[in-house]
Amino acid sequence: GEDVEQSLFLSVREGDSSVINCTYTDSSSTYLYWYKQEPGAGLQLLTYIFSNMDMKQDQRLTVLLNKKDKHLSLRIADTQTGDSAIYFCAENTGFQKLVFGTGTRLLVSP
Amino acid sequence: EPEVTQTPSHQVTQMGQEVILRCVPISNHLYFYWYRQILGQKVEFLVSFYNNEISEKSEIFDDQFSVERPDGSNFTLKIRSTKLEDSAMYFCASSDNGGRQAGDTGELFFGEGSRLTVL
Repeated sequence: GEDVEQSLFLSVREGDSSVINCTYTDSSSTYLYWYKQEPGAGLQLLTYIFSNMDMKQDQRLTVLLNKKDKHLSLRIADTQTGDSAIYFCAENTGFQKLVFGTGTRLLVSP
Repeated sequence: EPEVTQTPSHQVTQMGQEVILRCVPISNHLYFYWYRQILGQKVEFLVSFYNNEISEKSEIFDDQFSVERPDGSNFTLKIRSTKLEDSAMYFCASSDNGGRQAGDTGELFFGEGSRLTVL
């Protein structure tokens, strides 16, 4: 079945770049997403990429997609303490049925 | 900015009791979803709903679960007889597209979740 894997934890210093990685299994996924979850809050869509693209940039966020290796990454430039949260990778396996990864907890220290 | 709202934010119930979780999706959205996240585990798809009927459901969504859109604004998830393993955060989501047409982004807007604790 579909599976999405992420590393569980990433710690960076303020001002550094953060790179969160994700691997997925369903090669037919049309869209892949990055969601952010802050403590006590819901899932906020950060960005998404269509499967025929290999890169998408949105301000401080860069998404890279390697479809051959089924690898997705999210790079956050100039990471701030407010970026501390859990980041979920998700693939759309069809008709809005999203399969989520375990989430990567990003801790940004001053 | 329009948002999905969920109530209650936290509910504690006894095993075997019925629970109804409520959601108000974004007003012009037509596609509605429930997901859940057991503590420490992945966010899992439960059910999708469109045009007053279930579009798709997962294996988790058994006969103990039901969804309803009782009026033009609310979307509810009912658990008929709660079990300990139903303890989780339940997220409602809505979308203005079903991800079926070319160009649909499949973007889901999630609520803040309802934490259900079954004792």
